[in-house]
Formats: sequence, structure tokens, C-alpha cells
Amino acid sequence: DSGVTQTPKHLITATGQRVTLRCSPRSGDLSVYWYQQSLDQGLQFLIQYYNGEERAKGNILERFSAQQFPDLHSELNLSSLELGDSALYFCASAGTSTNNEQFFGPGTRLTVL
Amino acid sequence: KNEVEQSPQNLTAQEGEFITINCSYSVGISALHWLQQHPGGGIVSLFMLSSGKKKHGRLIATINIQEKHSSLHITASHPRDSAVYICALLEGGSRLTFGEGTQLTVNP
Repeated sequence: DSGVTQTPKHLITATGQRVTLRCSPRSGDLSVYWYQQSLDQGLQFLIQYYNGEERAKGNILERFSAQQFPDLHSELNLSSLELGDSALYFCASAGTSTNNEQFFGPGTRLTVL
Repeated sequence: KNEVEQSPQNLTAQEGEFITINCSYSVGISALHWLQQHPGGGIVSLFMLSSGKKKHGRLIATINIQEKHSSLHITASHPRDSAVYICALLEGGSRLTFGEGTQLTVNP
């Protein structure tokens, strides 16, 4: 158990819908990272938050957004869902310095029908 | 060319064999992660390396920064080691860039 929690574990929805994925980092970790793992693209970095502020952005679509709240939990919002958004979404957390090891949550499996 | 290349893509071994998975990269990095992903999908961080060698149980990871190469070794492999092993580059202290993974199957 990494100490990172993600909810829900599984999510099935329809095209055009909007969903919210939630991540709680390990106690004391200030950084939260979001990653997407799809069959055709593999694992890709989406976005990083550090202590409530966006720190780095990767291959995140404009239909996707994220935020980190004062209690350090983070949410990834996916809207206008398409079939191709079906993937495993992982969050990871890391400590206070930028080179700290990242610890991964169990992931949310999103299926868009 | 990908920034990070892993080899082999697939590896089948007999229980007890010594296993090596290689990772080569082409960019400057601040550290390198070795990750393990089981069939259920969960990802476990095995090592984070920025130089030298680390050992944890039957797992050993090495990195040569000058040659931009890292290896993950598994001694006395066991069927429970069957998983996908992923090398990931930590660039600029934030994002991870992932290799395509090595699917390891250890047969009893």
C-alpha cells in the first residue's frame, strides 16, 4: 500500500459525459501528479500540482482540467468524454522536494461507452 | 526515436534464473525510476536512482549516467515476479517519461 488513494476504482460512462477522479496523496506529500495509461499511448504525464499550484503540464487535453485543494487532495475533471479517453488514470504523490520518489495510487479505470 | 528505450520487450524465464532488463535514454535526467505493474494494473515504485546502484531484497538496480543506461536485475526469479517492469525518466524534477515496459513471465 503506497498510501496514495484514488476513487473511484472503476467508472463506466457514456460519450459526451463529464467525470471527476479524486486522489488523496500520502500524508505530508505536497506534489500530486496525474498520468494516463491507454493501450495505444502507454503511460503519459498529464499534469503536476505542488501545494495547490499547477507546476508542470504534459499531454493534457483542453477537455481535461485538474486542481489541488487546500487539504492537498486533487481532482482530475474529464469532460465531453470520447471513446479514446478510456484508460487507466493514475495519480502519484511525492514529498517536498522536486526530486523525491513518486508513489502511485491504485488507479481509476475509466470506460467510455 | 523515443527518449527512453527498454529491452527486451518480452522475457520468459524459468524459476530461479537471473534476469536483466535494460533501459537506455537519450536526454539529461535528474533521476530514473524502475516501476512494477501487476496484471491488476497497480504500479509499485521499486527504485529511484540518480547514480550508482541500489539493492532491495532480490532486486538490484544500477545506473550509468555517462552512458545513459540503467539495468534492473532480479536474482533467483520467482513466478510472483511476473509483471511489467517500466523504466521512467525524471526530467526537470517533475514529469516522468515512461518506457514501453518489459513483460516478464517467470514459469515454475
